[in-house]
Amino acid sequence: KQEVTQIPAALSVPEGENLVLNCSFTDSAIYNLQWFRQDPGKGLTSLLLIQSSQREQTSGRLNASLDKSSGRSTLYIAASQPGDSATYLCVSGGTSYGKLTFGQGTILTVHP
Amino acid sequence: DVKVTQSSRYLVKRTGEKVFLECVQDMDHENMFWYRQDPGLGLRLIYFSYDVKMKEKGDIPEGYSVSREKKERFSLILESASTNQTSMYLCAIKQGSGGDYGYTFGSGTRLTVV
Repeated sequence: KQEVTQIPAALSVPEGENLVLNCSFTDSAIYNLQWFRQDPGKGLTSLLLIQSSQREQTSGRLNASLDKSSGRSTLYIAASQPGDSATYLCVSGGTSYGKLTFGQGTILTVHP
Repeated sequence: DVKVTQSSRYLVKRTGEKVFLECVQDMDHENMFWYRQDPGLGLRLIYFSYDVKMKEKGDIPEGYSVSREKKERFSLILESASTNQTSMYLCAIKQGSGGDYGYTFGSGTRLTVV
């Protein structure tokens, strides 16, 4: 059974810092790895999707990497801003019908 | 990208009521999913559908049913709402085919059963 772990559980940083959120998964036979952002009381917003054949994806200040062999993914946020404050979820995609396994999330607070 | 609309952001219902949660997509994707999210338990799959009138149980289907009469609409039904069904409900769409896919989620429905 796939398990997804996110470290740290919470992170508080001053504005402007570069930061790394970590995700590990136990079963390397994944189809993809997707990072989401969730604001309090809201739905999940997709940030980056990495297919199993890819090593990384970039969007603006965000970069996500995937290393299937070691069972790890990282989300890198450059020059953090208070608007980046949210919960970040790492999600692995399994079988072709779309079985997802969710990490517990990292709660990020960026203070001015 | 597909737009996923959940008709209600907040709902308050009484114990024993029949509750309908609606999810609508603006494209033609086959796979639609209902999750609930609870503190400390994360997101758990309730039901999913891979085509019209087709449905499969997820990890926690008890107390729920679903309906998919049209491709764009997937409804979650609480036959007799109970307080332990107070939760955030999230609808999701699978985009793509085979192993090359991603998910788009709706904005969620916060249901409170009193």
